[in-house]
Amino acid sequence: NAGVMQNPRHLVRRRGQEARLRCSPMKGHSHVYWYRQLPEEGLKFMVYLQKENIIDESGMPKERFSAEFPKEGPSILRIQQVVRGDSAAYFCASSPDSSPPQHFGDGTRLSIL
Amino acid sequence: KQEVTQIPAALSVPEGENLVLNCSFTDSAIYNLQWFRQDPGKGLTSLLLIQSSQREQTSGRLNASLDKSSGRSTLYIAASQPGDSATYLCAENAGGTSYGKLTFGQGTILTVHP
Repeated sequence: NAGVMQNPRHLVRRRGQEARLRCSPMKGHSHVYWYRQLPEEGLKFMVYLQKENIIDESGMPKERFSAEFPKEGPSILRIQQVVRGDSAAYFCASSPDSSPPQHFGDGTRLSIL
Repeated sequence: KQEVTQIPAALSVPEGENLVLNCSFTDSAIYNLQWFRQDPGKGLTSLLLIQSSQREQTSGRLNASLDKSSGRSTLYIAASQPGDSATYLCAENAGGTSYGKLTFGQGTILTVHP
């Protein structure tokens, strides 16, 4: 049973481009969380999704960031018009229900040139 | 505002030593607290999860305690080994949500040298 899969592992973008980060939850998990780890900072909650629904996006910047978790396929975190401050490690976690996530992916390290 | 603080920020010990990592949190309405391990360039591995109704959990050489009244949790590692070297994170699940929205501490970087 594969764990939480994130891709790509590393992503380099130039300022102004779009970044798409993908997360495939563990088999049987329909709840997904995204967290961001900025350099020298702890992990911060961004968004919580269930299949086809955003439940809590209180940690997401109001502009340029969006997330989805379609009925079929992985969850996507999308960052439009990236800026240097978006450079961070983005982690996805999944859970079979609303219990706290215990399974995290290895993250996507986003670098903005 | 929920805050989670971990002390010390870094710890270096010789192999074989017993050690304690500390975590304090401000939200007393806690549902559970979790300890994670993070290796460089990797994701998080859940070590122990303590529900608010529990006082401690044990797994192998690890023991975690939870004291809601004082807002503290400790992770005790017995007979430390070089393979225990990693960053240890505590995270609380609180704040009135019915789902697993975690607030993380900054972590303790542990180095166990042979």
